Amino acid sequence: GDSVTQMEGPVTLSEEAFLTINCTYTATGYPSLFWYVQYPGEGLQLLLKATKADDKGSNKGFEATYRKETTSFHLEKGSVQVSDSAVYFCALSKTQGGSEKLVFGKGTKLTVNP
Amino acid sequence: NAGVTQTPKFRVLKTGQSMTLLCAQDMNHEYMYWYRQDPGMGLRLIHYSVGEGTTAKGEVPDGYNVSRLKKQNFLLGLESAAPSQTSVYFCASSLFATGELFFGEGSRLTVL
Repeated sequence: GDSVTQMEGPVTLSEEAFLTINCTYTATGYPSLFWYVQYPGEGLQLLLKATKADDKGSNKGFEATYRKETTSFHLEKGSVQVSDSAVYFCALSKTQGGSEKLVFGKGTKLTVNP
Repeated sequence: NAGVTQTPKFRVLKTGQSMTLLCAQDMNHEYMYWYRQDPGMGLRLIHYSVGEGTTAKGEVPDGYNVSRLKKQNFLLGLESAAPSQTSVYFCASSLFATGELFFGEGSRLTVL
């Protein structure tokens, strides 16, 4: 079945460091891909998305490119801030029962130290 | 703009007790979802609804029931709570079936 695999955390970085969180997927067809972020004590928020191969999603300095050849959607940010500390979830959408739903990875916790 | 609101935020139950979690959204969204979040497991879909009066099973539906009598509300019920249902529950909604979900802040349930 469809699935998402993320790099295991936790990830700890210093402020202004470069961030990469790896995400690979297994899916039939051509899913849309997403990154969601969960700040402490809050629900998930959509961070960025890409709907087809070679699309690049970007938001708040984060970027991810939909790579069909490597079935990957790695999240990157050039210079992280303390406020980026959160749990990041990679997800894909799949069609089931006439509805489209998300399949989430297990999440990667990021801590950024000043 | 309230978005997606879940009540209650916290609840402690004894094994065998019943309870209902309420999710309300004010965005006129068609689709609503209930997920549970457990450490190391990510989010898993319990039940979902594609419109008022409809419900369907997700990945982990056993032990839960849902109802969507009004478009803005999606209720999750536990008829006989078990310790394995200790979790954080998230409700979400979306306007279209595009994967762009709006989440509530979560409800932490502990079953003793």
